[in-house]
Amino acid sequence: NAGVTQTPKFQVLKTGQSMTLQCAQDMNHEYMSWYRQDPGMGLRLIHYSVGAGITDQGEVPNGYNVSRSTTEDFPLRLLSAAPSQTSVYFCASSALGTMSNEQFFGPGTRLTVL
Amino acid sequence: GQQVMQIPQYQHVQEGEDFTTYCNSSTTLSNIQWYKQRPGGHPVFLIQLVKSGEVKKQKRLTFQFGEAKKNSSLHITATQTTDVGTYFCAGRAGGTSYGKLTFGQGTILTVHP
Repeated sequence: NAGVTQTPKFQVLKTGQSMTLQCAQDMNHEYMSWYRQDPGMGLRLIHYSVGAGITDQGEVPNGYNVSRSTTEDFPLRLLSAAPSQTSVYFCASSALGTMSNEQFFGPGTRLTVL
Repeated sequence: GQQVMQIPQYQHVQEGEDFTTYCNSSTTLSNIQWYKQRPGGHPVFLIQLVKSGEVKKQKRLTFQFGEAKKNSSLHITATQTTDVGTYFCAGRAGGTSYGKLTFGQGTILTVHP
């Protein structure tokens, strides 16, 4: 199993550009989520999904869109990039209804917006 | 909304000293998880606590969940250089066994040999 994969690893954008961060998992997990990590701020939840076709907002959803058409994939779209979106982005997945609800994180995407 | 506060933000210790990080939630939690992130890496799950007053141990790590299910702590006995990293707590709101986790800001642990 590859676990949770994210692409790209690094990305530089100009203000106003749009892009999609890809996230995929091969563990058949129902729950998937996107976080951004900034120094001193911990991990802040952007959007999450509890299954295909179901998404919901987290703490910091503005400027980001998500969709969940399959169990495996959960892409994150930046509509019009801003310097404030410079961050490290992590995707995570977990199984629902298990004892641990352990979240498995991808390796992250380091995004810089100029 | 739910807030999870974690202290201290930084902790520097000499190898062999103990270390504790504390987590406090503004609301009652259904469960709390702890993660470790090595420098340059991604968070890795350590443990989940569910029951009021629960205490779990993993070798030199001791995790506690408060009686009111609003606070938690992670204690490392006799730190080693391999313990270096950022430790996060993450709580789920009461009444839900799954759903969104709210992370604390993390405690960055440095261990001097």
